[in-house]
Amino acid sequence: DIQMTQSPSTLSAYVGDRVTITCRATQSISNWLAWYQQKPGKAPKLLIYKASSLESGVPSRFSGSGYGTEFTLTISSLQPDDFATYYCQQYNSDSPYTFGQGTNLEIK
Amino acid sequence: QVQLQESGPGLVKPSETLSLTCNVSGASINLYYWHWVRQPPGKGLEWIGFLSDSGNTNYSPSLKGRVTISGDTSKNQISLKLRSVTAADTAVYYCARDTTLGYALDVWGQGTTVTVSS
Repeated sequence: DIQMTQSPSTLSAYVGDRVTITCRATQSISNWLAWYQQKPGKAPKLLIYKASSLESGVPSRFSGSGYGTEFTLTISSLQPDDFATYYCQQYNSDSPYTFGQGTNLEIK
Repeated sequence: QVQLQESGPGLVKPSETLSLTCNVSGASINLYYWHWVRQPPGKGLEWIGFLSDSGNTNYSPSLKGRVTISGDTSKNQISLKLRSVTAADTAVYYCARDTTLGYALDVWGQGTTVTVSS
């Protein structure tokens, strides 16, 4: 099975900061990597698909990059609404659909 | 606008079968892949499996043998059955649609909480 490891597990930042979350896969997944945002009591929301494609309606301050085994989600200037938990998710034909353990983004 | 609504018993006894339904509106289940994902209290997301547009299924290795996902085209519904449940199966269960753009889940239901307890 392909395992996804996110770092950090918790991130404290100020409004206006630029933050980056990393997701690493145990084997290559090409660019089949998605990022989600989840707020307490709510379903996850798709932000990024195919590693770097912005989902419709998602603010442009969110961006994704990476290929193979290492990926990043960057928020260019944190807004109050961005404090949430973020998950990466991979697809691979041999080991489909695994989520990372999550990164909790907190207000400093 | 595509909407998903999960439903089913909120309480299931240990060793019994958990059965949930996802009612899909605004999209035909024949045209997309449909997933079930769960989230135990205070923990992360766990992928359970999917039903493809052609009726094929694929399940998480950790749940394979206990789980069945099926579809009813006449009702435009997706179903989940998880057998021999234990307290470890207590979670919020979500159904979600797979985008055609890149193996990601772009529409989610609100989730339904299932507790396994006697």
